[in-house]
Formats: sequence, C-alpha cells, structure tokens
Amino acid sequence: DAKTTQPPSMDCAEGRAANLPCNHSTISGNEYVYWYRQIHSQGPQYIIHGLKNNETNEMASLIITEDRKSSTLILPHATLRDTAVYYCIVRNAGGTSYGKLTFGQGTILTVHP
Amino acid sequence: EAGVVQSPRYKIIEKKQPVAFWCNPISGHNTLYWYLQNLGQGPELLIRYENEEAVDDSQLPKDRFSAERLKGVDSTLKIQPAELGDSAVYLCASSLGGQPNTEAFFGQGTRLTVV
Repeated sequence: DAKTTQPPSMDCAEGRAANLPCNHSTISGNEYVYWYRQIHSQGPQYIIHGLKNNETNEMASLIITEDRKSSTLILPHATLRDTAVYYCIVRNAGGTSYGKLTFGQGTILTVHP
Repeated sequence: EAGVVQSPRYKIIEKKQPVAFWCNPISGHNTLYWYLQNLGQGPELLIRYENEEAVDDSQLPKDRFSAERLKGVDSTLKIQPAELGDSAVYLCASSLGGQPNTEAFFGQGTRLTVV
C-alpha cells in the first residue's frame, strides 16, 4: 500500500483557509487520493477524492501536484466545527487489497476562534 | 437517506465473554467493510465483503473473530472469547462497489470495553 505522510497537527484561525498537506511519493498511476476526517466519537466522514485533476465540492478542494507525489486539502473558510483528525489516504488499486482504504495517523486540525 | 447504521453504540463486557456487532449498510451498497480503531490510531481494515463473499479477510484474527453477511446486506462481527486488548471502536463502512473511485461511508461505530 502506498504510504502517506502528514504533519501530526496544525492550527487555523476561524474564517481563514486551512491548507492540509500530504505526501504520497510512492503512489501508483491508478491509485486515488482520498481525504476523510473524524470528529471525536464519530466515524470517519468522507470529504473528497481525486486521481489527477484538482477537485472541488461543497466541503473542500483537493489540489494534486502534477507528479501526483503530494496533495493539499483546502477548507476555504474554516469553522470551529472543522476541528477534527484529517486523514489522507491512497486507495489501493490492485491485488487482493483492491479498493482498500489504509488510514495513517492523520493530522489533528484545531480551529481557533 | 439513512447512512450506515451500527448497533449497539456502546458495549461493556467481561473478558472471555462473547460479543457481537451489527451493521446495516447504505441501501444498494454491495461492498461492506469492518474496521477496528484503537485509541489514538487510525482505523485498520478487518474484513471486506463484496455482496456475501469475504474478498479480503487477511487482517481478521480468525482464532477469535468471525464475520458474516449471509444475504449480502447487513453484517455481523463476532468476538468469542473477548480479551482485554479487544477494547476499541469497531467501525462498519459501505460503498457502491469496491472500486478505488467509489466513496466509502462509515457508521458511528461500536465502542467496546472489555473489563
């Protein structure tokens, strides 16, 4: 499984953009980058995913570098409710682990008033 | 539309007792996952089903853990006998197919405490 590297923690001021980086230098050409977040005592919540192109939905934007070795999740206007653990995942695209989501340690994002 | 439903939400049992967790996936989702999450760690896959077939159970400790999805819809995960180290959150997720470009949605989880 392709591994991801994320900073263990980040802070952001409420109303500002939160930019969460992720390195995935061993990603294969057909593997997708996924982002989930987990608020305390809840199950992981799907945010966004992408393959090559940048993606945007109602929650966030995903920027993937041209070489696909890193990506950035952008929360355009962070609120206190965005405080959570954010997981960057490279989703397996082959073999018996096809489609497997492998979670790492994630980034603890704290949004301050 | 209802999300992934898990029950119970919390469970406390004594060690060596059996325990079972139930999951009802999102309607129409043929792929179902069971994950284990220890405190302070990310979730780890235990087993993945495509319909009623377990296609990846390599991480499931088969000496005490078992799972079933008899009709390809809801699923049960069982531990017998439970050990102190099994205290964790057990998460169920489902997706419309197991392809890498289909989102998986998680339930709230069952928090198990073994005493």
